[in-house]
Amino acid sequence: QVTLRESGPALVKPTQTLTLTCTFSGFSLSTSGMCVSWIRQPPGKALEWLARIDWDDDKYYSTSLKTRLTISKDTSKNQVVLTMTNMDPVDTATYYCARIPISSGIPGGYDYWGQGTLVTVSS
Amino acid sequence: QSALTQPASVSGSPGQSITISCTGTSSDVGGYNYVSWYQQHPGKAPKLMIYDVSNRPSGVSNRFSGSKSGNTASLTISGLQAEDEADYYCSSYTSSSYVFGTGTKVTVL
Repeated sequence: QVTLRESGPALVKPTQTLTLTCTFSGFSLSTSGMCVSWIRQPPGKALEWLARIDWDDDKYYSTSLKTRLTISKDTSKNQVVLTMTNMDPVDTATYYCARIPISSGIPGGYDYWGQGTLVTVSS
Repeated sequence: QSALTQPASVSGSPGQSITISCTGTSSDVGGYNYVSWYQQHPGKAPKLMIYDVSNRPSGVSNRFSGSKSGNTASLTISGLQAEDEADYYCSSYTSSSYVFGTGTKVTVL
């Protein structure tokens, strides 16, 4: 069965760089059409899309955050890593990774999600 | 990229039907048939309810249906049940990225 799990620090200081890892099972990111994204949700607020990495290593970023984000994958470890630089208290949120399959060029929805990891930015 | 606009709250009695709107622009909702809807219960991860405007994943009740007209997508829940009380988010593909809606809290009276 498909599972995803986020891991990383629960607390980071302002200006630091956040590194989050998504470890997944039940599918391979080397399979054509498979993609994984990072999505975050500040406490009590809406979801915000951050980035996506595809099976062919294409990468896409939120326009407003692209200068701070880097997404990468390690297919052999079934992991996707997100780094976000220059963290600020407004970046406090639950960070989710989620899978999205693309069939014949048509993206479906995010069909499997991790449970999320809360990251607090505070000095 | 601005968030898609959803009503903050919608309510209904058990058995009734409700509709949640999701308004974007011609660059997102209106430009692609790649709108999806997610249900989120408190403290839980979102769950995919509808994808590509009107497709239901396996296992999702047929009480949930989606549609789109112009720049506005809609999610309809028919035969409202207590377990449907949750937050709902729409999302649209837009030029190599995605945008989510502002979220709607559904209350079952």
